[in-house]
Amino acid sequence: DPKIIQKPKYLVAVTGSEKILICEQYLGHNAMYWYRQSAKKPLEFMFSYSYQKLMDNQTASSRFQPQSSKKNHLDLQITALKPDDSATYFCASSPDSGNTLYFGEGSRLIVV
Amino acid sequence: GEQVEQRPPHLSVREGDSAIIICTYTDSATAYFSWYKQEAGAGLQLLMSVLSNVDRKEEQGLTVLLNKKDKRLSLNLTAAHPGDSAVYFCAVTYQGGRALIFGTGTTVSVSP
Repeated sequence: DPKIIQKPKYLVAVTGSEKILICEQYLGHNAMYWYRQSAKKPLEFMFSYSYQKLMDNQTASSRFQPQSSKKNHLDLQITALKPDDSATYFCASSPDSGNTLYFGEGSRLIVV
Repeated sequence: GEQVEQRPPHLSVREGDSAIIICTYTDSATAYFSWYKQEAGAGLQLLMSVLSNVDRKEEQGLTVLLNKKDKRLSLNLTAAHPGDSAVYFCAVTYQGGRALIFGTGTTVSVSP
């Protein structure tokens, strides 16, 4: 059974719309992350959270907003979607503050 | 910030041959080194990790070498088999770092 669940697995969105990518982890980790993978930038760190608090933000655009309603949840809200946002978004968690990561299977977003 | 270069981008080998992937990094404070494997349509899976005080580690047909003087990390897949076909990423972080920095990936194809 997957220990990190990401939903949806595939998503097509219209330019200008807003979507939420869901991530739940059942590994008991306190640190959670979002990474983005696209053809232009293979694996790009976006956000890190620890105990539901933002630790690091490497995403320039405020259109990307992580949301942590529970300790094992870290969702990603994306507003005013652009075609350049098309990518696979990976959620990850860590037992050791980020030295090792466990990844979900990703949410593939296509913006048309 | 830390820069990680990975080569080659593509590698084709025959079953039973060895495959070597190399990463170079820039920050001498880098303390933790990992290799991840990504199979088609899946998230990344941790293969092996080493601390900066380890020069060599072998596990299940994989050898990781760390040359701190040259800031070079390598992964050797000995006796590759078709199940090893995937994209491989190196990843590094430095002491107190909050996120892994990934290499650009190497697509390995193992033919029977």
